[in-house]
Amino acid sequence: SQQGEEDPQALSIQEGENATMNCSYKTSINNLQWYRQNSGRGLVHLILIRSNEREKHSGRLRVTLDTSKKSSSLLITASRAADTASYFCATEEQGGSEKLVFGKGTKLTVNP
Amino acid sequence: DTAVSQTPKYLVTQMGNDKSIKCEQNLGHDTMYWYKQDSKKFLKIMFSYNNKELIINETVPNRFSPKSPDKAHLNLHINSLELGDSAVYFCASSLNRQETQYFGPGTRLLVL
Repeated sequence: SQQGEEDPQALSIQEGENATMNCSYKTSINNLQWYRQNSGRGLVHLILIRSNEREKHSGRLRVTLDTSKKSSSLLITASRAADTASYFCATEEQGGSEKLVFGKGTKLTVNP
Repeated sequence: DTAVSQTPKYLVTQMGNDKSIKCEQNLGHDTMYWYKQDSKKFLKIMFSYNNKELIINETVPNRFSPKSPDKAHLNLHINSLELGDSAVYFCASSLNRQETQYFGPGTRLLVL
């Protein structure tokens, strides 16, 4: 069953602007992960945030997690054309098989 | 020095044929996965192995059979291929079951 739902489905911004993508999920989780997929390529892990964490940073990336609202956001600051890709959130459900369940992704286009 | 590799990268075959996709990881990870990504980019887990033991087996037709000869390899054999099997298949690995997953480049399967 699908767990994460990203919002928006597509986002187009200018280089230098910030991009915010949201993810909502339905069940209790162990952790939530964000991945990037460039066109025609495999997924690349960006950041993992555990259920007891509220915010995490990695370079130009900032991820928040609100377990009470079952939602997460990924902020990319000072975007670059190279950030153009699809971004997926994936949740690891608690108490189950610990599998990762992916959302449908947000397609981000950063225009130069 | 590729971390997770898959062969072949592309596979075009006729309906009814049997084919295999191979995956190898040189990261020393204990857990390996197979995912299917459909034409709408929806990524869904198929199987997961931990130390050569099957731990996740989603609702996948019996025509799909994973085989893990050792911890570093997880191959996927598909019997009697159908048109609906056309997709991109990704292999991934993680240190253990609740950690970041590292994805291979994908195998693009087209069934004619």
